[in-house]
Amino acid sequence: SQELEQSPQSLIVQEGKNLTINCTSSKTLYGLYWYKQKYGEGLIFLMMLQKGGEEKSHEKITAKLDEKKQQSSLHITASQPSHAGIYLCGADNTGNQFYFGTGTSLTVIP
Amino acid sequence: ETGVTQSPTHLIKTRGQQVTLRCSSQSGHNTVSWYQQALGQGPQFIFQYYREEENGRGNFPPRFSGLQFPNYSSELNVNALELDDSALYLCASSWRAVETQYFGPGTRLLVL
Repeated sequence: SQELEQSPQSLIVQEGKNLTINCTSSKTLYGLYWYKQKYGEGLIFLMMLQKGGEEKSHEKITAKLDEKKQQSSLHITASQPSHAGIYLCGADNTGNQFYFGTGTSLTVIP
Repeated sequence: ETGVTQSPTHLIKTRGQQVTLRCSSQSGHNTVSWYQQALGQGPQFIFQYYREEENGRGNFPPRFSGLQFPNYSSELNVNALELDDSALYLCASSWRAVETQYFGPGTRLLVL
């Protein structure tokens, strides 16, 4: 089965600081999704990356996909308290199964 | 908001009981997936339904079963509840199996 490992497991940053979350797959990535979850709530779709080298941005969040390294990174510039939550990467294995990483908990201190 | 709704929001059951959770898909979506999220962990894929047929299944026992209706709403049924079934249950809908999934707010199940 496919495994997605995220690092770091948790992150505490001062407001205004930049940060990066990594997601590494045990198998070839055919597509990589990033979601954000407020504690105990549903997931909010952030971005989907499909091609190696692809990079997408939305507001202050940028995600990149390195297909060769089977890795994706999520970068937040000038973090704000509204960025706090759990960030999850997810991927499908083309076998109609979808896997999520273990999650990265982000706390932003005002 | 995604347009995906789930009911109930919270549920308390005792071990051995059966439970049914419901999900209403976003308009135009014909695929529904269900996930179990234990505290502090990422969501685990239970199964997916596409046009009323099971289209993929994760590593969950047969006592986890589902249905998808002609209007693409869905149910998750769990029989013989165990304490470890306590979790947040999430459903997600998408236009097709390989398209972006949009999640509902979840149902929190507590098994005593």
